Amino acid sequence: DIQMTQSPSTLSASVGDRVTITCRASQSINNWLAWYQQKPGNAPKLLIYKASSLESGVPSRFSGSGSGTEFTLTISSLQPDDLATYYCQQYNSYSYTFGQGTKLEIK
Amino acid sequence: QLQLQESGPGLVKPSGTLSLTCTVSGGSTSSSNFYWGWIRQPPGKGLEWIGTIYYSGSTYYNPSLKSRVTISVDTSKNQFSLNLSSVTAADTAVYYCARHRGGYDSSGYYRANYFDYWGQGTLVTVSS
Repeated sequence: DIQMTQSPSTLSASVGDRVTITCRASQSINNWLAWYQQKPGNAPKLLIYKASSLESGVPSRFSGSGSGTEFTLTISSLQPDDLATYYCQQYNSYSYTFGQGTKLEIK
Repeated sequence: QLQLQESGPGLVKPSGTLSLTCTVSGGSTSSSNFYWGWIRQPPGKGLEWIGTIYYSGSTYYNPSLKSRVTISVDTSKNQFSLNLSSVTAADTAVYYCARHRGGYDSSGYYRANYFDYWGQGTLVTVSS
């Protein structure tokens, strides 16, 4: 299986901050990577696919970049509604795997 | 608007079989454009892909669960189902069904990619 490792595990930031979350793959996954946002008590929501493509309806403050083994999710200006846990997911192989999650807290 | 709804027992005895159904509305499980998947999340933990099915019946399973998992699709009812056998307390989790969007890979092969619509999830507890 391809292992996905996110950092940091927990992140505390203030409204208006630029926030970056990193996801590393144990082998190259080209750009076959998605990002999800999961708010407490809710199902995950797709934010980004193919590493940098924004899903329809997702605010433009969210962006993704990277290829190969290292990827980032950036929130350009943190909003209170962004309180959530964020997960990356690779789909390079038929055994789909997720990162362990990054919990984003608002200061 | 596509909606998915999980249904099934919330409590399963150890060594028993966990059975869940996902009912799809606003879309069709017989579409060749999409796959349909199951993902679970133990309380307080991360996400784990269980398996995926195509309208044709082709299935893909997590290797760590493959010996215990069966996923099927009933296109006439617009439903797909999960059976997980020989359950233990470690299988206690929120179980989600989701649409697994398809696309072409770099070799031109059509395959399942990422999850674009999710059900609300259902908590299944394994306990006697």
